[in-house]
Amino acid sequence: DAEITQSPRHKITETGRQVTLACHQTWNHNNMFWYRQDLGHGLRLIHYSYGVQDTNKGEVSDGYSVSRSNTEDLPLTLESAASSQTSVYFCASSETSGRHEQFFGPGTRLTVL
Amino acid sequence: TQLLEQSPQFLSIQEGENLTVYCNSSSVFSSLQWYRQEPGEGPVLLVTVVTGGEVKKLKRLTFQFGDARKDSSLHITAAQPGDTGLYLCAGPKISSGSARQLTFGSGTQLTVLP
Repeated sequence: DAEITQSPRHKITETGRQVTLACHQTWNHNNMFWYRQDLGHGLRLIHYSYGVQDTNKGEVSDGYSVSRSNTEDLPLTLESAASSQTSVYFCASSETSGRHEQFFGPGTRLTVL
Repeated sequence: TQLLEQSPQFLSIQEGENLTVYCNSSSVFSSLQWYRQEPGEGPVLLVTVVTGGEVKKLKRLTFQFGDARKDSSLHITAAQPGDTGLYLCAGPKISSGSARQLTFGSGTQLTVLP
């Protein structure tokens, strides 16, 4: 069965370190998204990609970057982790056509000390 | 800006009770989606409503899209503890120039007590 996975599921890091969160999908979807979820803010879009070599900034992109070298993967990098980036991160994917229904990964809980 | 407001924000009920949660906007959406998120997991799509006035049923869950396509409701009959979770509505973000992005509501946290 097709799926979307994230790793690690939990990560503790220190302020200033570079961190990369992995997202891998086997749906063969062109569209991939990264969100962060915080109490009181719901799901906020960080970056998104509509295909290989395509990346775009979302509403809360400062301090984050992504790259898309193949269809299956969209890793999210925190260049220099800050305590404000402590959050739960979700990756999602969707088809290009249709109703744009998104399939989510299980999430990564990141703590920046 | 297309905003989706959900109410109530929190709801705690006893097993067997009925409930309705709402998703409202001042903007027209081409469709609305409902997701359920359980603790420690990602949101899972429940249903997509597309046509104004449309009603869809998923076992004890009934979803309705408003006639003007600006709002939607989720009604649960005889709630069970397994219905506990965060319910999110979402709609395509037309202002992005592409409907592939979604606008999410802030969610309704439902707790069903045994």
